[in-house]
Amino acid sequence: NAGVTQTPKFQVLKTGQSMTLQCAQDMNHNSMYWYRQDPGMGLRLIYYSASEGTTDKGEVPNGYNVSRLNKREFSLRLESAAPSQTSVYFCASSEGLAGGPYYNEQFFGPGTRLTVL
Amino acid sequence: GEDVEQSLFLSVREGDSSVINCTYTDSSSTYLYWYKQEPGAGLQLLTYIFSNMDMKQDQRLTVLLNKKDKHLSLRIADTQTGDSAIYFCAERPTSGTYKYIFGTGTRLKVLA
Repeated sequence: NAGVTQTPKFQVLKTGQSMTLQCAQDMNHNSMYWYRQDPGMGLRLIYYSASEGTTDKGEVPNGYNVSRLNKREFSLRLESAAPSQTSVYFCASSEGLAGGPYYNEQFFGPGTRLTVL
Repeated sequence: GEDVEQSLFLSVREGDSSVINCTYTDSSSTYLYWYKQEPGAGLQLLTYIFSNMDMKQDQRLTVLLNKKDKHLSLRIADTQTGDSAIYFCAERPTSGTYKYIFGTGTRLKVLA
């Protein structure tokens, strides 16, 4: 099992450009999440998908959109990148609260390091 | 608001114990977690504790929970250089929510 995979690993954009970060998991998990990690601020939730077909905003959704393409894949789109979106982006998945162990461990991908100039 | 706080840095000598502290804000949190992030990698779950427990031990790891003070700690016994990483505390505020709140992370440096 590959677990959670993310592409690309690194990306440099110019202000105003758009891009999509891809995430896939092969653990048959119901729930998927997108976080951003910034120095001194920990991880902040951008969007999450509790189950296939649903998406909800997290703490910092402005400037982002998401698509839960199917059970395996959850993509994050930046329509018009801004320097404030320079960050490391992590995708995570979990079995979800509807099934699986109650502590609901999240499994993380290796991250995408994005720089917006 | 929801806020999970940790000190940013901790430095210890190899073989000593490390104690990483965390304060959280939501007293209704059902589960509290410790995740470890090694350089250039994603986070991995180290351990978790259910809110009706005071302590949980797992090999070199001891988690203490003080619900009255909303304080969580992670003790690593016999700290090794391989323990150098960033450690994140996280809470799941209420049962039935998917919104985990992560702390700022504590960077642990183990000196040989």
